[in-house]
Amino acid sequence: ETGVTQSPTHLIKTRGQQVTLRCSSQSGHNTVSWYQQALGQGPQFIFQYYREEENGRGNFPPRFSGLQFPNYSSELNVNALELDDSALYLCASTPSRTRSTDTQYFGPGTRLTVL
Amino acid sequence: QQQVKQSPQSLIVQKGGISIINCAYENTAFDYFPWYQQFPGKGPALLIAIRPDVSEKKEGRFTISFNKSAKQFSLHIMDSQPGDSATYFCAAWDYGQNFVFGPGTRLSVLP
Repeated sequence: ETGVTQSPTHLIKTRGQQVTLRCSSQSGHNTVSWYQQALGQGPQFIFQYYREEENGRGNFPPRFSGLQFPNYSSELNVNALELDDSALYLCASTPSRTRSTDTQYFGPGTRLTVL
Repeated sequence: QQQVKQSPQSLIVQKGGISIINCAYENTAFDYFPWYQQFPGKGPALLIAIRPDVSEKKEGRFTISFNKSAKQFSLHIMDSQPGDSATYFCAAWDYGQNFVFGPGTRLSVLP
């Protein structure tokens, strides 16, 4: 059973650019959630995808968007990057649309630095 | 908007000691409270979780105590080991919000 993988590991962008982060969910999991973790803070929920549809969104502007593919892998896209977007971006998968007791399996994250 | 408060921010404990991390929440709609452990360079991993109809849950050296009336819950790590050194996050779940995490506690267990 493969775990959650994310790519790239690290990324450096400049303000105003666009970035795409990728996540492969754990085998058998059809739900993917994305989180932003600023340095020294807890993860903040960005949005969740279930069977290719957005299934919940946190308090993030529309320039944060996502996709989920038929194989349940997912992308996080951020347009018009701002300095405050510098953070660790975490992807988590669950075996179904999140119920409270479903264990979320987190990937190692992508460290994004915006200069 | 911090919906889950966590303290202390950092904690240093001697090997064999008890580590205690506290969390508090306001939203009474939260109905599931997990704790996550995160090592440097890794994503958070579920450690232990509790529902509000239970006052205590123990798994090995890890215990959650839950006080529904006070809207507080805590993690106790008994016989703390250097390998427990990590950042710990409490979280709460409310359908529609997904998980809301606390700001984290950095635990250092001295050998």
